[in-house]
Amino acid sequence: QVQLQQWGAGLLKPSETLSLTCAVYGGSFSGYYWSWIRQSPGKGLEWIGEINHRGSTNYRPSLTSRVTISLDTSKNQFSLKLASVTAADRAVYYCARKNSGSSSPGSHYYYMDVWGKGTTVTVSS
Amino acid sequence: SSGLTQDPAVSVALGQTVRITCQGDSLRDYYATWYQQKPGQAPVLVIYGKNKRPSGIPDRFSGSYSRNTASLTITGAQAEDEGDYYCNSRDSSTYYLEVFGGGTKLTVL
Repeated sequence: QVQLQQWGAGLLKPSETLSLTCAVYGGSFSGYYWSWIRQSPGKGLEWIGEINHRGSTNYRPSLTSRVTISLDTSKNQFSLKLASVTAADRAVYYCARKNSGSSSPGSHYYYMDVWGKGTTVTVSS
Repeated sequence: SSGLTQDPAVSVALGQTVRITCQGDSLRDYYATWYQQKPGQAPVLVIYGKNKRPSGIPDRFSGSYSRNTASLTITGAQAEDEGDYYCNSRDSSTYYLEVFGGGTKLTVL
């Protein structure tokens, strides 16, 4: 059974860079997109971006200038960096595996089927 | 439009049926995925694709569609079904952008 274990600094000062890593255990790294999602206190879920096993990335347009998602296939890990954090970046950050299926030839659907436990990130001077 | 709209809160009597809806233009093109989240926990996948349940999700959970609206139905709600439910889909304009609804808080009375 695939499990995601995530870690990283939980307390940052404004303007610092958030850095989180997610390790994939018990499953293949290939064939999936690996995602980061965050949830501000008392709020809903917000997709940050994703990377596939070939290193192809997609980012939330509003965060593109500050976010970098990378991977280390030798360790089955992927990472999130978010530069120049502010109080607005305070959230629980989740890593997740994005899986896919096909309902008909040429038509795919996607879903996040495995999630990490989340890392609480606070931004305070 | 890239937004997904959910009712903020819904309640259901124990053992009764409840429908949680998600509305958005992208649902005309893409399936909705549904997640359940309990306080202090990560989201859990409950419905994906046209109407698929992951292993371990009870068959009282089902998904359906009509035009631009996706629905999650819980038939015979149990106390443990209480929590927040989020729908998720892709954005119609920016195909790789995952969007989430604002979430529906389900209370089982």
